[in-house]
Amino acid sequence: SQKIEQNSEALNIQEGKTATLTCNYTNYSPAYLQWYRQDPGRGPVFLLLIRENEKEKRKERLKVTFDTTLKQSLFHITASQPADSATYLCALGFQKLVFGTGTRLLVSP
Amino acid sequence: DTAVSQTPKYLVTQMGNDKSIKCEQNLGHDTMYWYKQDSKKFLKIMFSYNNKELIINETVPNRFSPKSPDKAHLNLHINSLELGDSAVYFCASSPSLIVAKNIQYFGAGTRLSVL
Repeated sequence: SQKIEQNSEALNIQEGKTATLTCNYTNYSPAYLQWYRQDPGRGPVFLLLIRENEKEKRKERLKVTFDTTLKQSLFHITASQPADSATYLCALGFQKLVFGTGTRLLVSP
Repeated sequence: DTAVSQTPKYLVTQMGNDKSIKCEQNLGHDTMYWYKQDSKKFLKIMFSYNNKELIINETVPNRFSPKSPDKAHLNLHINSLELGDSAVYFCASSPSLIVAKNIQYFGAGTRLSVL
């Protein structure tokens, strides 16, 4: 069956460190993969989209990699700040997006 | 201006009642969606509409009936509410169904509690 798995345990890191979140998928062959951020009580907000022929995409302190052989995407936040604390969701699909369960990131000062 | 707005933000109601959630987007997008996020925070698509036409219906019970009077609005009506319908419902829109442009913009959510 198709699955999109993200680490369900919260990731706790110190301010200034790099946070790395993982998204693994099975039985999909996505051409695109997206990452969203969700804060408590709010809707997800789009962060980055990466295509299958792109190994890496950057936006300010964010970096996403996409390995279609490993069926994995990594999401990095460098120089993390407490304001980066949120749940991060990966999503993939064609006409419909299927979301992973999300990983909660907690950045302590 | 809020890009995707949905009302109400909170909805508390008794089992068996009928309720509606409204959604409007002012982004000029062609495609709109309803998602359900359950207590485990799993976000799952329910419906999508493109230019007022139903595109996706994810085997949602027919107690749920979406209606799109125009491409800027997508409302969700729920009949005979059940306890299991308690969740946060999100409306979203995207420029089109084309994947490269399928970045989704979400509303703030409607928290439905069925007692």
